[in-house]
Amino acid sequence: EVQLVESGGDLVQPGGSLRLSCAASGFNFRLNAMSWLRQAPGKGLEWVSTITHSGGDTYYADYVKGRFTISRDNSKNMLYLQMNSLRAEDTAVYFCAKGRRYGAAVPDAFDIWGQGTMVTVSS
Amino acid sequence: DIQMTQSPSAMSASVGDRVTITCRASQGISNYLAWFQQKPGKVPKRLIYAASSLQSGVPSRFSGSGSGTEFTLTISSLQPEDFATYYCLQHNSYPHTFGGGTKVEIK
Repeated sequence: EVQLVESGGDLVQPGGSLRLSCAASGFNFRLNAMSWLRQAPGKGLEWVSTITHSGGDTYYADYVKGRFTISRDNSKNMLYLQMNSLRAEDTAVYFCAKGRRYGAAVPDAFDIWGQGTMVTVSS
Repeated sequence: DIQMTQSPSAMSASVGDRVTITCRASQGISNYLAWFQQKPGKVPKRLIYAASSLQSGVPSRFSGSGSGTEFTLTISSLQPEDFATYYCLQHNSYPHTFGGGTKVEIK
């Protein structure tokens, strides 16, 4: 079964840091790009960041650029999001999602999402 | 950045109705467009990818069309389990962007 399981969400003070993890199973992790997305309470979905299959390229939304860092460990089938200088507006459920397979001809991405992990930034 | 304008933002419909939701991209995105359904407290579920390809296991009453800048999600005959919020997502270029969502409510 293809599965993504996030962990690491917590209550953190403004200016604090947190590291989210996403454990992947059931597919060839090293061949797929991976992404983080989020949803603030009562709001719509937002894309946060994407990392290519090899980890060689990373992309960020402007609202997290310079504060968040996406990374992956293909030997462990793990995706990470290091979140620094957290702000109240970062409060959201954070999802990891499976991206496009390297070399795929069809834009087939975001088919599998984890259950999400809650990050609350508050004093 | 590519803006995705989704309409309507909310709608009331009855079981059996044909429902159409539109997303307009501020510039061409080819067919790098996916549609998602989300129910309260649940994880988004992909319905359509590559603008018009039906996700395996999704009922055939859902369909997607369009290319370039205009995209449509159609539910041919609305069922009780379809009442939810729907989002489009463009992943042609970075930053990826979602439409604002369409909440489909019971009339």
